Amino acid sequence: GENVEQHPSTLSVQEGDSAVIKCTYSDSASNYFPWYKQELGKRPQLIIDIRSNVGEKKDQRIAVTLNKTAKHFSLHITETQPEDSAVYFCAATYTGRRALTFGSGTRLQVQP
Amino acid sequence: SAVISQKPSRDICQRGTSLTIQCQVDSQVTMMFWYRQQPGQSLTLIATANQGSEATYESGFVIDKFPISRPNLTFSTLTVSNMSPEDSSIYLCSVDQFFGPGTRLTVL
Repeated sequence: GENVEQHPSTLSVQEGDSAVIKCTYSDSASNYFPWYKQELGKRPQLIIDIRSNVGEKKDQRIAVTLNKTAKHFSLHITETQPEDSAVYFCAATYTGRRALTFGSGTRLQVQP
Repeated sequence: SAVISQKPSRDICQRGTSLTIQCQVDSQVTMMFWYRQQPGQSLTLIATANQGSEATYESGFVIDKFPISRPNLTFSTLTVSNMSPEDSSIYLCSVDQFFGPGTRLTVL
């Protein structure tokens, strides 16, 4: 089955700096890669996603890149703000399965 | 995106008892998913619930421990049976890439 690895497990940045979180996946059939932000005591919230026919997607300060050949995808957050502090999860799935396999999570702390 | 609700939002249960968690979606959906999030951990898929057929369980999860019902296209239940403290987790219902608010279960 699919295996998703996520790095780093914790990340501390200064406000205004950029943050990058990386994930690799094992199943070449995977073609949908969402990213979630989870604040303490809340449900995972979808923040951005990418499909395998696209190499990059951007939404304001958040971007995701995908390298199908290398089977890795990354989340980029620019101009970080204290409210970006949370746990971030990557995930992967493929058409027909739809259930998600999650990475282990990254705790991002943005220092004011 | 679908609006997903869960009941109860949290519960504290005694060892050996069972708890049934309900998940309601505001639109008809083919597949619903149940995940478990243990304290400080990531999300793990328990099973996929299809209407009109038996749920499909992931490795490490069995029907006797986590029976699932899917009586129609907007509703599903997950039961955590014969609970032990190791079952203390957040249980989340999902439709596609969206999640319900979760049920925080503590087993004493």
